[in-house]
Amino acid sequence: QKEVEQDPGPLSVPEGAIVSLNCTYSNSAFQYFMWYRQYSRKGPELLMYTYSSGNKEDGRFTAQVDKSSKYISLFIRDSQPSDSATYLCAMSEFGPGAGSYQLTFGKGTKLSVIP
Amino acid sequence: EAGVTQFPSHSVIEKGQTVTLRCDPISGHDNLYWYRRVMGKEIKFLLHFVKESKQDESGMPNNRFLAERTGGTYSTLKVQPAELEDSGVYFCASSQGSSFDYGYTFGSGTRLTVV
Repeated sequence: QKEVEQDPGPLSVPEGAIVSLNCTYSNSAFQYFMWYRQYSRKGPELLMYTYSSGNKEDGRFTAQVDKSSKYISLFIRDSQPSDSATYLCAMSEFGPGAGSYQLTFGKGTKLSVIP
Repeated sequence: EAGVTQFPSHSVIEKGQTVTLRCDPISGHDNLYWYRRVMGKEIKFLLHFVKESKQDESGMPNNRFLAERTGGTYSTLKVQPAELEDSGVYFCASSQGSSFDYGYTFGSGTRLTVV
């Protein structure tokens, strides 16, 4: 069983739609949860991070973590063509500054927002 | 502020040859990480430097891979001899401090093809 499962898509939605992206994981030691956005031929860019369970909102983006279900989500409201990218979930047991700070990534979901 | 810079952006080498990838982190960032994405797989952690010291090299696949960070500035990742399964995109990232707010910035990656 992979540590992190993410549906690779592709996912195609019309402009203005609400997008829901999800990951499940098996390692209950994960405490930090992140979403990265990656444009073609570029490196991943941190979108949002959360610690433990709960919700976090930043503009059109909302991240949710349910540790009891080992399930995390990213919602994008009023999606725009500029949101078209690959979205990767990532997790870690320890935070920045800890001795062993390494990220475990999902495969990424390719999103296309059609004008 | 310049971002994380990786050289070359693309490299094609024959099986058995040696290749050296270079990463210039953001100036002043003590933490430097190498990750790799093999075709169809997740981005996987390789190792973590704090200044010139290897903090965690648990992700290095085998002894054909050698990473160095001389003087705590730029880093190199050498693959010798290269095998077909080493093909993929090698990402470098850097960070400063112990907070997500400081960011964890990835470079655009080096696309390595071993033929």
